[in-house]
Amino acid sequence: DQQVKQNSPSLSVQEGRISILNCDYTNSMFDYFLWYKKYPAEGPTFLISISSIKDKNEDGRFTVFLNKSAKHLSLHIVPSQPGDSAVYFCAASFSGGGADGLTFGKGTHLIIQP
Amino acid sequence: EADIYQTPRYLVIGTGKKITLECSQTMGHDKMYWYQQDPGMELHLIHYSYGVNSTEKGDLSSESTVSRIRTEHFPLTLESARPSHTSQYLCASSEMKGAYEKLFFGSGTQLSVL
Repeated sequence: DQQVKQNSPSLSVQEGRISILNCDYTNSMFDYFLWYKKYPAEGPTFLISISSIKDKNEDGRFTVFLNKSAKHLSLHIVPSQPGDSAVYFCAASFSGGGADGLTFGKGTHLIIQP
Repeated sequence: EADIYQTPRYLVIGTGKKITLECSQTMGHDKMYWYQQDPGMELHLIHYSYGVNSTEKGDLSSESTVSRIRTEHFPLTLESARPSHTSQYLCASSEMKGAYEKLFFGSGTQLSVL
């Protein structure tokens, strides 16, 4: 059973607008959430993280919001740029790191249209 | 910037061949991982290692094996490749960032077995 779910396989957004990528999780014991960005034929790269004791973390154009009661987080990208077109993976972790690392969602393919 | 390298980037081989996918990191990280990822799917953990002489199987059943004789080197071997092994293989190492674990990925090996 998937513990981290990204229910939108793809999302198309116009350049300059806001992109909102969503992620749901089922295990309330997760302590940290991370977003990774992946281009085709490349490995994922770390984007931003948030602790479960916070509800928001911001880094430049990227903001992650966490709603712990709803077990939901979202990544906002403002403004969206062509280079943001990629697959975005949501991942969850336990404090101190789990034995087998991060639990990943299936990813959302973000397409930024000119 | 992460210093983790995977070779080859692309590999096309015939059924029954033995192959080794190379992964090296220069960051001195103890923990390393191998993931398998197909388009539209989550990253599946196939092997991980806590350090030298430590190897563990992940949650995805795999016919591959790994070794960890040196900290910086974590190769993955398929004794007899089959078409079902066609996938992208991602190697990662990790470090603790405060209380959470941050993974650094290589560029991946795209394997096609004919």
